[in-house]
Amino acid sequence: DQQVKQNSPSLSVQEGRISILNCDYTNSMFDYFLWYKKYPAEGPTFLISISSIKDKNEDGRFTVFLNKSAKHLSLHIVPSQPGDSAVYFCAAGNAGGTSYGKLTFGQGTILTVHP
Amino acid sequence: EAGVTQFPSHSVIEKGQTVTLRCDPISGHDNLYWYRRVMGKEIKFLLHFVKESKQDESGMPNNRFLAERTGGTYSTLKVQPAELEDSGVYFCASSLMTLYGYTFGSGTRLTVV
Repeated sequence: DQQVKQNSPSLSVQEGRISILNCDYTNSMFDYFLWYKKYPAEGPTFLISISSIKDKNEDGRFTVFLNKSAKHLSLHIVPSQPGDSAVYFCAAGNAGGTSYGKLTFGQGTILTVHP
Repeated sequence: EAGVTQFPSHSVIEKGQTVTLRCDPISGHDNLYWYRRVMGKEIKFLLHFVKESKQDESGMPNNRFLAERTGGTYSTLKVQPAELEDSGVYFCASSLMTLYGYTFGSGTRLTVV
């Protein structure tokens, strides 16, 4: 039972355009959401996060949108750069309860930004 | 500040053998996590230490896996005996505050043949 899903295995975008990566979740107990970026042979690197009390969080070229009613979040990268090419993972957690440290990840989306 | 260090970076062992993975978290990080990614799929939670105590080990697949964190510093993850399905990349992460500022290591790629 996969509670966090990234239904697009890959995305290809031209440099300078917008990249939109999507993520759906099923567990309504999740109250914190994160995006990680991963380069080959490296560990995931934290990119941006959002709490369930917000619907948008922005950090430079990266914006995360949260639609709680649809249980959907997205990551927008504007403008996209070749260095953004990586695997992007969506992750979710719950700040309460005994599993407060656990993150549930999606399968990842491979983003390729062409020059 | 040194990052999260994992070793070995790669390990190839035969089915039935024992392997021990090690993780050195960022100094001062009380929270330490183990995750695993199998065959390019999602990254799955294994367990969470707070200092030397296991806060949550709900993701440990079976009793062939044993994690320890003596003294609340480095951690080891032992797989004994290893099976083919244990192959994957094992990531360790540490944080000061849970859910925030998780820093991952580069992972250990385990191949069981």
